[in-house]
Amino acid sequence: SYELTQPPSVSVSPGQTARIACSGDALPGQHAFWYQQKPGQAPVLVIYQDTERPSGIPERFSGSSSGTTVTLTISGVQPEDEAEYYCQSADSSGHHFVFGGGTKVTVL
Amino acid sequence: EVQLVESGGGLVQPGGSLRLSCAASGFTFRNYWMTWVRQAPGKGLEWVANINQDGSEQYNVDSVKGRFTISRDNAKSSLFLQMNSLRSEDTAVYYCARDGSPDYWGQGTLVTVSS
Repeated sequence: SYELTQPPSVSVSPGQTARIACSGDALPGQHAFWYQQKPGQAPVLVIYQDTERPSGIPERFSGSSSGTTVTLTISGVQPEDEAEYYCQSADSSGHHFVFGGGTKVTVL
Repeated sequence: EVQLVESGGGLVQPGGSLRLSCAASGFTFRNYWMTWVRQAPGKGLEWVANINQDGSEQYNVDSVKGRFTISRDNAKSSLFLQMNSLRSEDTAVYYCARDGSPDYWGQGTLVTVSS
């Protein structure tokens, strides 16, 4: 079955930049989406269609794509950005979806 | 304001059945794909199933094939997940979400499969 791979954890100091990569064979043909989840809460969409930011999401969140890898970048990390982040996309058929395993972002 | 409210979770014995519901409001329900996503305790998100606007297409993850069925009632702006032959590994919070790659999520309903 199709898989998306992301690192389990990233640590960053306040004000620095955090980058989370997500790799998958079908990513060149399928859009990626990024979700932020804090403990006890439902996920929140922070990036859609690889690079687009929903209204209400701070500008410090951005997305990029290159080949089989997409990247979520958080510039000028704030303490409230500490959370689990998941990438999501579809397989090559476009009908079956998958989430990456999640990346815990720790703000030191 | 988009709202998705799940219900129907609870404790069920292995081999049992449960039907989850999701009441949608604040948008034109019949215009959107809808999705169920689950999260086992302490684990990551897992896509479970989705359904197209008129219910004619449904897709689900291999681990629930033949056991779970997604459906919808556009007249009542409601989404459903019928879960049969439940296993301990189905224990999770089940989220209802709008669209194939969701932009809005409910708060989830907990399903516990245990004897």
